Amino acid sequence: NAGVTQTPKFRVLKTGQSMTLLCAQDMNHEYMYWYRQDPGMGLRLIHYSVGEGTTAKGEVPDGYNVSRLKKQNFLLGLESAAPSQTSVYFCASSLSGGEVYNEQFFGPGTRLTVL
Amino acid sequence: AQSVTQLGSHVSVSEGALVLLRCNYSSSVPPYLFWYVQYPNQGLQLLLKYTSAATLVKGINGFEAEFKKSETSFHLTKPSAHMSDAAEYFCAVSDYGGSQGNLIFGKGTKLSVKP
Repeated sequence: NAGVTQTPKFRVLKTGQSMTLLCAQDMNHEYMYWYRQDPGMGLRLIHYSVGEGTTAKGEVPDGYNVSRLKKQNFLLGLESAAPSQTSVYFCASSLSGGEVYNEQFFGPGTRLTVL
Repeated sequence: AQSVTQLGSHVSVSEGALVLLRCNYSSSVPPYLFWYVQYPNQGLQLLLKYTSAATLVKGINGFEAEFKKSETSFHLTKPSAHMSDAAEYFCAVSDYGGSQGNLIFGKGTKLSVKP
């Protein structure tokens, strides 16, 4: 099993450009998450999904959109990139969300720079 | 609302010395607590988790953590540091009892190990 994979690993954008980050998991997990990690801020939840066709806002959703058309994929979109979105983005998945063992499995991250 | 505070953004120890990384939580419901480790340029990996079965939790790589309800703490320890332990460590609490069981992360503690 590959676990959680993210594409691309690195990306440089100019202000105003758009892009989509792809997350894929092969563990048949119901829940998927997108986080951003900034120095000294820990991980902050952007959006999450509790199942195919569902999405919900996290702590810092502004400027991002997501889609979960297939259970194994969770896409994060930036419609008009801003320098404040320079960050490392992590995708995670878990079997479910409201249970005791809410272990989340993380992808390797995407390093995004917006100039 | 739940929250996590990690005391000390950077901890430095000598090889062979005790590792102590501090985590305090705030939760209105019985919490589920986690420690994750992030090695340079990698995603997060679960070290250990507390799910109310036992207050002393043993994890991978010789780490353990003790849940102390009276102190609202979940400190991470390792008796003898190894160079390979150099990484960033994140404490997290699950808002189990909410509808999604999302994780709330602390800001992280970077551990350096001196030879």
